[in-house]
Amino acid sequence: KQEVTQIPAALSVPEGENLVLNCSFTDSAIYNLQWFRQDPGKGLTSLLLIQSSQREQTSGRLNASLDKSSGRSTLYIAASQPGDSATYLCAAPTDSWGKLQFGAGTQVVVTP
Amino acid sequence: GAGVSQSPSNKVTEKGKDVELRCDPISGHTALYWYRQSLGQGLEFLIYFQGNSAPDKSGLPSDRFSAERTGGSVSTLTIQRTQQEDSAVYLCASSKTGSGNTIYFGEGSWLTVV
Repeated sequence: KQEVTQIPAALSVPEGENLVLNCSFTDSAIYNLQWFRQDPGKGLTSLLLIQSSQREQTSGRLNASLDKSSGRSTLYIAASQPGDSATYLCAAPTDSWGKLQFGAGTQVVVTP
Repeated sequence: GAGVSQSPSNKVTEKGKDVELRCDPISGHTALYWYRQSLGQGLEFLIYFQGNSAPDKSGLPSDRFSAERTGGSVSTLTIQRTQQEDSAVYLCASSKTGSGNTIYFGEGSWLTVV
């Protein structure tokens, strides 16, 4: 059974610093891994999807890496801004149908 | 529509009443998921529909919960005889197929049982 862990649970950084968010998974036979952002009182916004054949994926200031052998994915957010404050969740499918197992999330606060 | 649409956005109901939550997925998406997020808790899988295949109901917490998907599009999640522990955000998501495609979430239906 795929289990997903995110550490730390919370993170506070000053504006301009780079953010590094960690995600660990137990089953290396992973189909893909998806990163989401959740703002308070809102649904989830998809940020990046990394396929099992990829090592990283980039979108603007966001870069996500995937290392299947070590069971880790890392989300990098360059030059953080107060608007990046949110909870970031990673998720991996538990089967070929795409049913997702979520981590508990990392709550990020970027201070001006 | 442009995104996954859910209604109602907020629902307050009395304990013991039935509620229906609606999800309208992105046009052309064959996969549809329901998740639940309780206050301070992680996301919990409830049910999954893929095309005309039998749904994966393995996450439904009790037989008071049921869901259907009509015409391969709109889905309704029904909770019968609601209990206070059912209070949560119910999130619907859709994707083009199953694994391998980005999964898009709606804004959720916030359910409060009093």
